[in-house]
Amino acid sequence: DAGVIQSPRHEVTEMGQEVTLRCKPISGHNSLFWYRQTMMRGLELLIYFNNNVPIDDSGMPEDRFSAKMPNASFSTLKIQPSEPRDSAVYFCASREGQGPGYEQFFGPGTRLTVL
Amino acid sequence: LAKTTQPISMDSYEGQEVNITCSHNNIATNDYITWYQQFPSQGPRFIIQGYKTKVTNEVASLFIPADRKSSTLSLPRVSLSDTAVYYCLVGEGNNRLAFGKGNQVVVIP
Repeated sequence: DAGVIQSPRHEVTEMGQEVTLRCKPISGHNSLFWYRQTMMRGLELLIYFNNNVPIDDSGMPEDRFSAKMPNASFSTLKIQPSEPRDSAVYFCASREGQGPGYEQFFGPGTRLTVL
Repeated sequence: LAKTTQPISMDSYEGQEVNITCSHNNIATNDYITWYQQFPSQGPRFIIQGYKTKVTNEVASLFIPADRKSSTLSLPRVSLSDTAVYYCLVGEGNNRLAFGKGNQVVVIP
């Protein structure tokens, strides 16, 4: 398996523009997580899905952020409008099951820079 | 979520054993202790998980005392490639885990 796939790997945009980050989880995994990593705050969980359903979005910073998972093999994280403080590395992770023993597998991340 | 406390950073010499401690005073009965490792420009990857006593795999050992209020990740004979950020996480069933900033370990030649 190719692992968790994220695109794009790098994104540079201007303030006010819409940004869409994409993730393809590992086939057969039924949980998907979106994280954001910055020097100031470390690695933060934004939202996670089980069986394509959002379970906990309490980490989503504000209404400018939205995430969808239309099917088991694809998820998007959208920021509209983007702001310079959204600059960070965004990771997607997937997991095969719930409970102890099921580790999260992370993608390579998308480095977002908002000018 | 049970909160964890780790040192911000630590240095170690190549070939030494490295012990990384984590405090989790309010760990709940159902919580497991999980450690992840993150290399520069990569996503974190799972190292080891335990509930109590000692767990060992091909990468590391995890020591958990009887009161479970702390844990220690032990990396035997580290090499330069072990330079990474190490995260200690506590939670039930690997669901909503708080990674935070982790512990930056730098291995010195």
